[in-house]
Amino acid sequence: QKEVEQNSGPLSVPEGAIASLNCTYSDRGSQSFFWYRQYSGKSPELIMSIYSNGDKEDGRFTAQLNKASQYVSLLIRDSQPSDSATYLCAVNKITGGGNKLTFGTGTQLKVEL
Amino acid sequence: DTGVSQNPRHKITKRGQNVTFRCDPISEHNRLYWYRQTLGQGPEFLTYFQNEAQLEKSRLLSDRFSAERPKGSFSTLEIQRTEQGDSAMYLCASSRGTGDNQPQHFGDGTRLSIL
Repeated sequence: QKEVEQNSGPLSVPEGAIASLNCTYSDRGSQSFFWYRQYSGKSPELIMSIYSNGDKEDGRFTAQLNKASQYVSLLIRDSQPSDSATYLCAVNKITGGGNKLTFGTGTQLKVEL
Repeated sequence: DTGVSQNPRHKITKRGQNVTFRCDPISEHNRLYWYRQTLGQGPEFLTYFQNEAQLEKSRLLSDRFSAERPKGSFSTLEIQRTEQGDSAMYLCASSRGTGDNQPQHFGDGTRLSIL
């Protein structure tokens, strides 16, 4: 079992629709969760962080966390063509003074006109 | 804030050569991380510094790899005797040092191609 799992996609949604991206993780001790957006050939860009169960909204983005189910999701409302990218889920494992992120393989999102 | 800066952006070298990459973190960030990313994969953790102390190294970091952060500011990642499998994007990230849950911000990366 991978530590952080995401469907690779592509996930295709029409412009203006809601895109729903999902992520599961295996380590119950994980404490913080992040969504990064990565355009082709570019580096990851932080778009959301979430630390406690429930929803967190920022503009068109909503992150959802359910620690009991070990599940994190990202909703993108009113999807735009510029949202087309790979979305990486990352989980923070704190180990012996270290502070590393474990990433999923990413979900490719395509927003179609 | 200026962002995380990495140099060079691209490096092409022959197998067996040594290469060195540099990372300048966001100025008030005292934590610095190196990751490696290959096509179709998420970034993989390599190593982590808090100030000048290297606190964790991944098993991915073979003895051909060494990282330093001598003054707690910029960091260098050196790969000796490069191999084809070292071809990847090398990403540097930094974060604030208060608490363990601070978000990490990435630089533009250095893309390494081994001929």
